[in-house]
Amino acid sequence: GENVEQHPSTLSVQEGDSAVIKCTYSDSASNYFPWYKQELGKRPQLIIDIRSNVGEKKDQRIAVTLNKTAKHFSLHITETQPEDSAVYFCAALPYYNDYKLSFGAGTTVTVRA
Amino acid sequence: EPEVTQTPSHQVTQMGQEVILRCVPISNHLYFYWYRQILGQKVEFLVSFYNNEISEKSEIFDDQFSVERPDGSNFTLKIRSTKLEDSAMYFCASSAGNYNEQFFGPGTRLTVL
Repeated sequence: GENVEQHPSTLSVQEGDSAVIKCTYSDSASNYFPWYKQELGKRPQLIIDIRSNVGEKKDQRIAVTLNKTAKHFSLHITETQPEDSAVYFCAALPYYNDYKLSFGAGTTVTVRA
Repeated sequence: EPEVTQTPSHQVTQMGQEVILRCVPISNHLYFYWYRQILGQKVEFLVSFYNNEISEKSEIFDDQFSVERPDGSNFTLKIRSTKLEDSAMYFCASSAGNYNEQFFGPGTRLTVL
């Protein structure tokens, strides 16, 4: 099955700086990669996703890049703000088992004011 | 904006008791999921449900677990005989398609004493 590794586990950045979270996946058949943000005590919410036919996707201050050859994808947050503080999870979904989303372990991002 | 809802928000039970966690998915969604998140750990897939049957289940989803869609709106997770290690946050999710965004509910925190 799919195994998703996520790094770092914690990330502290100064407000206004960029944050980068990296994930690797094991199954080359994975072709859908969502990123979820989970604030303390709240539900995970999708912030951006990318499919394997695209190398990069951007939505305002958030971008995701995908390297299918190396089997890794990254989340980039620019101009970080205190409200970006949360746990971020990457996930992967293979085309042959399109019901089972495999999550990374999460990255706790703290934006220092 | 429509949301997935879950009840109760917190359930405390004695070991060996049966619990039923309830979810109301977004009304036009066809795919339903249950996930589990032990405190401080990653979100883990339990089961997916489509067309009134289980489409995929993880190794966690053993004979103690069952899911049901008793009517056109509710989706339930039953744990027949709870164990201490079942203590976790249980999230229900739904999606319009199998490669569409999965929308998560607010979760039910299950505490087994």
